[in-house]
Amino acid sequence: QKEVEQNSGPLSVPEGAIASLNCTYSDRVSQSFFWYRQYSGKSPELIMSIYSNGDKEDGRFTAQLNKASQYVSLLIRDSQPSDSATYLCAVNSSGGSNYKLTFGKGTLLTVNP
Amino acid sequence: EPEVTQTPSHQVTQMGQEVILRCVPISNHLYFYWYRQILGQKVEFLVSFYNNEISEKSEIFDDQFSVERPDGSNFTLKIRSTKLEDSAMYFCASSRRAGGLDEQYFGPGTRLTVT
Repeated sequence: QKEVEQNSGPLSVPEGAIASLNCTYSDRVSQSFFWYRQYSGKSPELIMSIYSNGDKEDGRFTAQLNKASQYVSLLIRDSQPSDSATYLCAVNSSGGSNYKLTFGKGTLLTVNP
Repeated sequence: EPEVTQTPSHQVTQMGQEVILRCVPISNHLYFYWYRQILGQKVEFLVSFYNNEISEKSEIFDDQFSVERPDGSNFTLKIRSTKLEDSAMYFCASSRRAGGLDEQYFGPGTRLTVT
């Protein structure tokens, strides 16, 4: 069973701090990695995609990928109360299938004013 | 900005009834997906669809489920005989290319309640 693991949290940070969210995956052939934000009762909203080792920055968000360690992370700089949500890590499917995403359970982030 | 739309936003049905959930993917996208999320649980893949046929389906997607693209814009999920355990949020998503290589964008979801 291919898995995507995340700490469920809650992760609580003060406003203006850096929030660090982590994700590990079990399938070595996974190629594509995504971070989604999900507010309570809403649908997943794509924040970042990353396909190769290293860092990828987009505004206040930085995704980091280490395929050797099967580890992907998301850093949120200058965290805002509006960033409070559940962050979902998603990985392209196991076995080389390009047609589905496997999601982690998500990490609940709370940014305190 | 183009977005995926879904109707209805909330569907209540009795056990054993058929339901059809509707989605309009982003217009230039070619790959379509259905996911579901039971309350408090992770988002789960149901099925992917390309070129008018199913590309992949999960164990959840049994004979009670079917998908269709009845015209050039709509993409539907049908549950033939609903069960209590089908109660969940159902999300439609679309991507320009195969999902593992491209970003999938999700619609707002349909909350299905089976009583």
